[in-house]
Amino acid sequence: TQLLEQSPQFLSIQEGENLTVYCNSSSVFSSLQWYRQEPGEGPVLLVTVVTGGEVKKLKRLTFQFGDARKDSSLHITAAQPGDTGLYLCAGERSGNTPLVFGKGTRLSVIA
Amino acid sequence: NAGVMQNPRHLVRRRGQEARLRCSPMKGHSHVYWYRQLPEEGLKFMVYLQKENIIDESGMPKERFSAEFPKEGPSILRIQQVVRGDSAAYFCASSSAQTDTQYFGPGTRLTVL
Repeated sequence: TQLLEQSPQFLSIQEGENLTVYCNSSSVFSSLQWYRQEPGEGPVLLVTVVTGGEVKKLKRLTFQFGDARKDSSLHITAAQPGDTGLYLCAGERSGNTPLVFGKGTRLSVIA
Repeated sequence: NAGVMQNPRHLVRRRGQEARLRCSPMKGHSHVYWYRQLPEEGLKFMVYLQKENIIDESGMPKERFSAEFPKEGPSILRIQQVVRGDSAAYFCASSSAQTDTQYFGPGTRLTVL
């Protein structure tokens, strides 16, 4: 059973376009983390959201945690080829517990 | 600060051999997690350890797999009598008791021939 559903699974867009990636669950999480993974490397943390309704911005990336802490979204404005990669969301049930990962969204930004 | 270190980065074993994967957490981190990633899949939790203790091993197969995090030295994930289905990328993450954010190492890519 996949507890965290990410969509879309694959996304190919032109440079300069906007996009949104979704991470949904029927379970409540104490925090949710977004990672980006390059081929042959480990996941690199982008952001952690902990409060329902929280919005965090990281340059052109905007992360939102749902009010009920069951879902999250990642919005990228004016995508660039350097944004290409695998984006993973991961939820934590409580502090210092194993992460539950979505399957990821593989983003390709074409110049 | 050095990040999470894993070695080897690549490991090739023949069926029936043993694989030992090592993970050194970030300085000051006492919590270690092991995850496995199959091609085109997300990461799946295997085991969670603190120094000298296994806290949660619910994601680790009961047979052939074991993990330890000794008082001194790195955490070790050991796979005995490897089979082709064990081929995957194995990632270690660490966190501190104060902040539960997990930071990942570069992974060990195990190939079983």
